[in-house]
Amino acid sequence: NAGVTQTPKFRVLKTGQSMTLLCAQDMNHEYMYWYRQDPGMGLRLIHYSVGEGTTAKGEVPDGYNVSRLKKQNFLLGLESAAPSQTSVYFCASSYLHGTGVETQYFGPGTRLLVL
Amino acid sequence: QQQVKQSPQSLIVQKGGISIINCAYENTAFDYFPWYQQFPGKGPALLIAIRPDVSEKKEGRFTISFNKSAKQFSLHIMDSQPGDSATYFCAASRDTGNQFYFGTGTSLTVIP
Repeated sequence: NAGVTQTPKFRVLKTGQSMTLLCAQDMNHEYMYWYRQDPGMGLRLIHYSVGEGTTAKGEVPDGYNVSRLKKQNFLLGLESAAPSQTSVYFCASSYLHGTGVETQYFGPGTRLLVL
Repeated sequence: QQQVKQSPQSLIVQKGGISIINCAYENTAFDYFPWYQQFPGKGPALLIAIRPDVSEKKEGRFTISFNKSAKQFSLHIMDSQPGDSATYFCAASRDTGNQFYFGTGTSLTVIP
């Protein structure tokens, strides 16, 4: 049981380049999330998904797109990377408990540097 | 607007001492309050969580105190150890919601 995995672990991009971050979970969780973590800012939600084929915007969605074609995978895309997107990106998943969600399980993070 | 406000930003405690981290929220619809622990280079991991039907929850050396009327909750780490040195995040969510709102984090250093 690998939990939540993220690919790649580290990436350097030039301004304007595109890339896709992959998140995979093997816990059959309904909910998946993408956060970015910046010093002094905590964890900020970029996009999330409440089920296969559905996505929604979080607190800081601009410049990012997501897709959830399979329940176990959640992709985060940067169409045209900017230096402001230099950050550590965390994926998380959680299960539905009653009418809401509880524990979030986080991946190990992807460190992205945009030059 | 920060939904959950966390303080202090950093904390240095002697080994064996008590570490206290505070969080405050405004949205009275929040009814689930977890604390996450994050070690350098790792993702956050759930440490302990509380629902507002109780005022305190204890798991080992970790205790959450919850004050519903003041809309505040805090994490107490008793007998702090160097291995507790990490960043701690509080968070809040609604039972009928699907988003978590995180505090800005507290970097705890426990000095031997």
